[in-house]
Amino acid sequence: DAKTTQPTSMDCAEGRAANLPCNHSTISGNEYVYWYRQIHSQGPQYIIHGLKNNETNEMASLIITEDRKSSTLILPHATLRDTAVYYCIVRAPGSARQLTFGSGTQLTVLP
Amino acid sequence: DGGITQSPKYLFRKEGQNVTLSCEQNLNHDAMYWYRQDPGQGLRLIYYSQIVNDFQKGDIAEGYSVSREKKESFPLTVTSAQKNPTAFYLCASSILSGADEQFFGPGTRLTVL
Repeated sequence: DAKTTQPTSMDCAEGRAANLPCNHSTISGNEYVYWYRQIHSQGPQYIIHGLKNNETNEMASLIITEDRKSSTLILPHATLRDTAVYYCIVRAPGSARQLTFGSGTQLTVLP
Repeated sequence: DGGITQSPKYLFRKEGQNVTLSCEQNLNHDAMYWYRQDPGQGLRLIYYSQIVNDFQKGDIAEGYSVSREKKESFPLTVTSAQKNPTAFYLCASSILSGADEQFFGPGTRLTVL
């Protein structure tokens, strides 16, 4: 699985958009970009995934650059409950394989 | 509601005792996983199963055992052979097609005294 690089921490004001970047310059053609988050002392929560097109669901939007070497997770209106560690993971699908969680980005939403 | 349940949320055991952590899912997922998370660390895979009555070791299987007698259930036993069992244990499940995103349970925090 390709390696990912994320900032260690970010702050965001409540109600504003939170933009979390991820670099994955060695991504392969069949690898998806996944985003998960983990609120303290809870299990990780799946947010969104994409291959090459931008994706949006009820939780977030995922913007993947045309060369696929980086992506941005967007939480359009951050709330205090969005405070968590956000993990960007790159892997190929199709079989039962582990998710490799790096250190992630600690997002703190400020009131 | 569909989901994954783990029980108990907190578990205390004396050193040298085996302990079994429960994981149940009603998502009709084929694959199930057990991860271990230590403070400030990422997740490490213990065991995974793609089908009933079959499972494979992950990166840190020593001192653990699992069974998959039913599609919905994947219990993990932490044996006395596990040198440092105190950790946060997470169970997950996924389908085996498409992007196969994994869905996680709430976790069990095991403390060995």
